[in-house]
Amino acid sequence: GAGVSQTPSNKVTEKGKYVELRCDPISGHTALYWYRQSLGQGPEFLIYFQGTGAADDSGLPNDRFFAVRPEGSVSTLKIQRTERGDSAMYLCASSLLARSDEQFFGPGTRLTVL
Amino acid sequence: GDSVTQMEGPVTLSEEACLTINCTYTATGYPSLFWYVQYPGEGLQLLLKATKADDKGSNKGFEATYRKETTSFHLEKGSVQVSDSAVYFCALSKKTSYDKVIFGPGTSLSVIP
Repeated sequence: GAGVSQTPSNKVTEKGKYVELRCDPISGHTALYWYRQSLGQGPEFLIYFQGTGAADDSGLPNDRFFAVRPEGSVSTLKIQRTERGDSAMYLCASSLLARSDEQFFGPGTRLTVL
Repeated sequence: GDSVTQMEGPVTLSEEACLTINCTYTATGYPSLFWYVQYPGEGLQLLLKATKADDKGSNKGFEATYRKETTSFHLEKGSVQVSDSAVYFCALSKKTSYDKVIFGPGTSLSVIP
């Protein structure tokens, strides 16, 4: 079956611009996670959705970052007034339940802020 | 806070050599432990897991044992193949209401013929 997909695969933008990154989880998965992975580092947790609600957004670095999941499926990570330090790989993962002990990751979106 | 430490890479091995990638963790309570693998050009995928002390996770010839006394979860394989070349991430998840995973920095492995 289809895995987690993310679009775009690459995004290049200029400092100060707004960007949206999209995640399509595996059908039927109720839990959805966003991570950020800097070069040479492991993924860092950003936000967790259970259904439509953001159950834990403690990993979002500041108020320029926001994410939504309006219908409990597709999620969008939104970054306002991008900064060069936002450049990273943004990963999305989903799991069937909140406590599944296995998350399925998408291929990621490489964001570059010039 | 909770954290995961891994041996630094890159690690380069010849085909059929033995592999050990060290991983230690710091966490309160009894987390679940994982190894994730990222093959070139692909997304992260779960390699193996262990959910309680002394459990051994295994998959594709890889093994790791949850050692509570040493807070370790070292990844081992007896004979590596070129296809094992990838980045390996040790991770933990606290048994809260959901799987909040904390990853180590990753260890890059290259296996040469």
